[in-house]
Amino acid sequence: GQNIDQPTEMTATEGAIVQINCTYQTSGFNGLFWYQQHAGEAPTFLSYNVLDGLEEKGRFSSFLSRSKGYSYLLLKELQMKDSASYLCAVNPGAGSYQLTFGKGTKLSVIP
Amino acid sequence: GAGVSQSPSNKVTEKGKDVELRCDPISGHTALYWYRQSLGQGLEFLIYFQGNSAPDKSGLPSDRFSAERTGGSVSTLTIQRTQQEDSAVYLCASSPAASNYGYTFGSGTRLTVV
Repeated sequence: GQNIDQPTEMTATEGAIVQINCTYQTSGFNGLFWYQQHAGEAPTFLSYNVLDGLEEKGRFSSFLSRSKGYSYLLLKELQMKDSASYLCAVNPGAGSYQLTFGKGTKLSVIP
Repeated sequence: GAGVSQSPSNKVTEKGKDVELRCDPISGHTALYWYRQSLGQGLEFLIYFQGNSAPDKSGLPSDRFSAERTGGSVSTLTIQRTQQEDSAVYLCASSPAASNYGYTFGSGTRLTVV
């Protein structure tokens, strides 16, 4: 089966840095995705990693280690609008177009 | 359209009734996906369309669930004889081609079965 684990909730202070971890055990691997979802809204794409290493995009960075089945999303210079759920998702195999999602991490940014 | 549009945004139905959920993908997107998001659970894949055909419908939970897509555009997800466990947010996404890179999600339909 497929299993993706991420913390349920996190709290961080405005202006700080927060790291959201994701571990996965899947039958295969063809890429890992991070999505942001504000309450009652559509998930929006943040990042995609298929090779090991760090991908940086503005205030957001995502890291992948395939050998460890591990990824993290790093958010810098936190803003109040970053309060949202962050979803980790894996494509478990080449030729498959479905994603397996974790349950999401609800991040609360406090002043 | 500018984004993926889903209707209705909210639907309350009585147990045993049939419901239809609609998805209008971004114009020109050939691939369309349905997911379900239940309270406290991750998004669950239901079905994927490429054009009007569904190469992967492995996630449909039972034969009460069906979906179709016409004209390579609008898709309808139908749930027959709804049960309380069907209560969830049903999300539709589209992408320019058969790829899970670059999904654009709609805001979903919140279905409540009472």
